[in-house]
Amino acid sequence: QKEVEQNSGPLSVPEGAIASLNCTYSDRGSQSFFWYRQYSGKSPELIMFIYSNGDKEDGRFTAQLNKASQYVSLLIRDSQPSDSATYLCALKGSARQLTFGSGTQLTVLP
Amino acid sequence: ETGVTQTPRHLVMGMTNKKSLKCEQHLGHNAMYWYKQSAKKPLELMFVYSLEERVENNSVPSRFSPECPNSSHLFLHLHTLQPEDSALYLCASSLYRDEYNEQFFGPGTRLTVL
Repeated sequence: QKEVEQNSGPLSVPEGAIASLNCTYSDRGSQSFFWYRQYSGKSPELIMFIYSNGDKEDGRFTAQLNKASQYVSLLIRDSQPSDSATYLCALKGSARQLTFGSGTQLTVLP
Repeated sequence: ETGVTQTPRHLVMGMTNKKSLKCEQHLGHNAMYWYKQSAKKPLELMFVYSLEERVENNSVPSRFSPECPNSSHLFLHLHTLQPEDSALYLCASSLYRDEYNEQFFGPGTRLTVL
């Protein structure tokens, strides 16, 4: 089992819709969770982090964490074409190093 | 300059060459990282330097050699690379190497080994 699993996509949503990106993980000791956005040919850019169970909102982005079920998700409301990118889920546990998923490619259609 | 910078941005080298990648962070961070990103694969952590500590991924071949002269600078020395080493090499930094500090990435060096 991969340590961090993401649906590779591509995920396509129409402009204005909610995009839902999901991530599951295997290490129950994971403490912190991060969502990075990576545009084609660019480096990853941190957009959200979450440490506690529940929801965390920042503008159009909401991160959701459920440690009991070992999943973390990212919702993007009012999706824009500029949100089209690969979204990387990453987590840190007792090893104190980031473990990344392979990423989900999101396309927002105008 | 601000953030994390990397040079060169693109590098083409033959298998017998020796080259170095450079990373500099202007964020006052204490931990720096090298990652490898290959197509369709997760980001792979290669090396970590944090204060006096160095951590390395045991699967990284010895033809990659890191150097961290101070908390702001990080190098990756390359020698006798293989074509499968062609990838995007990313440097990152964080305030400390603990569970809660987020990492910030540089723009990367796109390496092609012929």
